[in-house]
Amino acid sequence: ETVMTQFPATLSVSPGERATLSCRASQTVDNNLAWYQQKPGQAPRLLINGASTRIGGTPARFSGSGSGTDFTLTISSLQSEDFAVYYCQQYINWPRTFGQGTKVEIK
Amino acid sequence: VQLVESGGGLVQPGGSLRLSCDASEYSFSTNWMAWVRQAPGKGLQWVANINEDGSEKYYVDSVRGRFTISRDNAKNSLSLQMNSLRGEDTAVYYCVTGAWSYGYWGQGTPVTVSS
Repeated sequence: ETVMTQFPATLSVSPGERATLSCRASQTVDNNLAWYQQKPGQAPRLLINGASTRIGGTPARFSGSGSGTDFTLTISSLQSEDFAVYYCQQYINWPRTFGQGTKVEIK
Repeated sequence: VQLVESGGGLVQPGGSLRLSCDASEYSFSTNWMAWVRQAPGKGLQWVANINEDGSEKYYVDSVRGRFTISRDNAKNSLSLQMNSLRGEDTAVYYCVTGAWSYGYWGQGTPVTVSS
């Protein structure tokens, strides 16, 4: 099983600032990585797949990078609606596995 | 795309429950489908996946042999039969589309396993 580790667990950021979230895989996943956003009481929403491809409707302030085992989700200028929990997920092998999440909170 | 889950509820340990997901405005029969769950206050856990015609199925180890994923393409419906339920199966269960990244999610149906 590929273990996905996200850090930090919580990120405190002021609106307008940049947020950098990290995700590490226990073995290479090439670029088979997705990022999701989940707000309280809502289902997750797919933001990025292929490590760096924004899904239609994902704002341009969200960018993904990385390949192999180390990945980053960057939110260039946090808006109020971006405060949420973010999950990474690998889909190179079974079982599909998610990271434990990073909570982005208002500083 | 609309995915509407149903069938969740309270069940005793060792009991069974069948979840359903009705899909609309979606090319159901030509796409993989899956179930993903989220325990209270916890992260996401992939549970099972099924291919377009139901001939391929994958499960997380913790549910293999107890849960069965299935689909009825004529009815645009996905199911999860859950047997021998345990306390650790308590979660919100989401019906999702895909097998790689998961593009569309239902609103989830809660399952509570408790005596």
